[in-house]
Amino acid sequence: QVQLVQSGAEVKKPGASVKVSCKASGYTFTGYYMHWVRQAPGQGLEWMGWINPNSGGTRYAQKFQGRVTMTRDTSISTAYMELSSLKSDDAAVYYCARVGYRELNFDYWGQGTLVTVSA
Amino acid sequence: EIVLTQSPATLSLSPGERATLSCRASQSVSSSLAWFQQKPGLAPRLLIYAASNRATGIPARFSGSGSGTDFTLTISSLEPEDVAVYYCQQRSNWTFGGGTKVEIK
Repeated sequence: QVQLVQSGAEVKKPGASVKVSCKASGYTFTGYYMHWVRQAPGQGLEWMGWINPNSGGTRYAQKFQGRVTMTRDTSISTAYMELSSLKSDDAAVYYCARVGYRELNFDYWGQGTLVTVSA
Repeated sequence: EIVLTQSPATLSLSPGERATLSCRASQSVSSSLAWFQQKPGLAPRLLIYAASNRATGIPARFSGSGSGTDFTLTISSLEPEDVAVYYCQQRSNWTFGGGTKVEIK
């Protein structure tokens, strides 16, 4: 069965970087785009960008351009999202989500990774 | 950038009642609209894709309609387990609406 398992919670200081991983299993990792979505406490969903695990190509939301980097390691079926220059309002749960071929939308999600930003 | 506006912000209904949630796009998104359900502490779950197609395993009481700029998610007979926040999303730039919280009276 398809599973996306994310890395554990992180606590970072303002100005630092965080790298969240998303390990895929149960399907061909390189065959499906992976997106990242975040959710601040008590707030809605915010799309951050995607990576094509096959080519490594990426597209980022304008808001995060220059601060976010999405990469992948196909040998271990894992996608990564790194966010730099963290600010207090980057505190959120970060999700990876796969785009399904039939739905052309997010059919499977990771469990989420809580990132806390505190001095 | 396409902006999605959801209404109402909160919907409070009794079990068995019909729930109607609205999503309006600032410009046409054709039928490229999806609905997600999110329960507290959990990741969102895809309910409806391409405006009116139920995702795998989604009960028939959930239905979607609309095209262009106006879309509706209907829960035909509200169940207690449907308490959640519902988000619409469009695929042009993958943005989400602000959400509608569904409560049981």
